[in-house]
Order: sequence, then structure tokens, then C-alpha cells
Amino acid sequence: SQQGEEDPQALSIQEGENATMNCSYKTSINNLQWYRQNSGRGLVHLILIRSNEREKHSGRLRVTLDTSKKSSSLLITASRAADTASYFCATVAGANSKLTFGKGITLSVRP
Amino acid sequence: DTAVSQTPKYLVTQMGNDKSIKCEQNLGHDTMYWYKQDSKKFLKIMFSYNNKELIINETVPNRFSPKSPDKAHLNLHINSLELGDSAVYFCASSQLGTGGETQYFGPGTRLLVL
Repeated sequence: SQQGEEDPQALSIQEGENATMNCSYKTSINNLQWYRQNSGRGLVHLILIRSNEREKHSGRLRVTLDTSKKSSSLLITASRAADTASYFCATVAGANSKLTFGKGITLSVRP
Repeated sequence: DTAVSQTPKYLVTQMGNDKSIKCEQNLGHDTMYWYKQDSKKFLKIMFSYNNKELIINETVPNRFSPKSPDKAHLNLHINSLELGDSAVYFCASSQLGTGGETQYFGPGTRLLVL
């Protein structure tokens, strides 16, 4: 069953702007991860945030987690055309490390 | 020095055929996975092996059979292919117990069943 639901489903912004993507999930989790998928390629791990963490940074990425609302957001600051891709949130719950993915958000950054 | 590799990259075949997809990782990870991504980009886990033992087996038709000859390899064999099997299949690996559970994905195998 699907766990993560991202919104918006598609986002188009100008280079230099910030992009905010949201993810909601249904059950308790161990951690939540964000992945990027460029067109025709595999997924690349961006950042992982644990259930006891509220915010995490990695370069131009900032992830927040609100376990009371069962939601997370990914902020990409100062976006670049190369950030154009699909972004997925995925949750891990239980002991077997199974990743349950959302439907993904298509981000287009216009040069 | 590819971390997770899959072969073939593209696979076009007729309905009813049997085909295999191979996956290898050189990261020294102990866990490997197969995912299916449909035409709407929805990704769903199919199987996972830890140290050659099956640990995740989602509701997948038994025409799909994973085989793990060793920790570095996880192959996927599909019998009697159907039109609905057309998708992109991704292999991934991770090291359990490190506290990270980050998964590293292969480039995908694009399967088209005619």
C-alpha cells in the first residue's frame, strides 16, 4: 500500500527561486527519505531524516519532519536548471528497511 | 566502478516468453532489492534479500522469482511474460544495521512486453 503522498504533483519555477515539496504519510515511521530521479535514470538518495529529528540540512537542501502531522517538506534553495527531476519521499517503518514510496513530484526549473 | 549495475538496460520481448534481469553491487552491502516502476512513475518494492535470504516478498505473481547466488548479486527471473509486466525494474542495495538504511539504486531495466 502507498505510504507517502507528495504535493504538489508538479512544480515549475524559475532558476534561482526556492522549491518546496511536501510529503504526507499514514503510519508511524523509523525514518523518511527523499530521492531524486532524473529522466530515464535510477534514483539517487538525497537526505534521510529520523523520526526523532525535526530538521536536517544538506547543502541547498533542507528537510523538515513533523511526526504529529505525519508530514515532511523538502526545500531546495536557489534552484538550478540541473535540479529538474522527479522527487520522491519514501518512508521506512518496521525492522526490514522496506522503503514505501510516494507518487513523486515533477520539478521543472526554467533557466 | 559502477556501484549497482543491471543488465540488460533495455529488454523487448513477446508475451509468454521467459526472461531474466541481472543485478550486481560492488558496495559490499548485505541487502538487495527489486522495485517495479510503472508508467505513472509509481515505485513499488517487489522483493528484498538479506545475506541471500528472502526478507521481503510483496504480493507479486509467482511468475516472478528472485535468485540470490551471493550477497553481491540478485537476479530476477520472469516466466510467461504478460503485457502488464511492461515497466522499469530497479535493483537497489543497502547495508542494514548501520543506522542509515540509505538505498543505492541501479540505472533500471526497461522491459517492454509486446
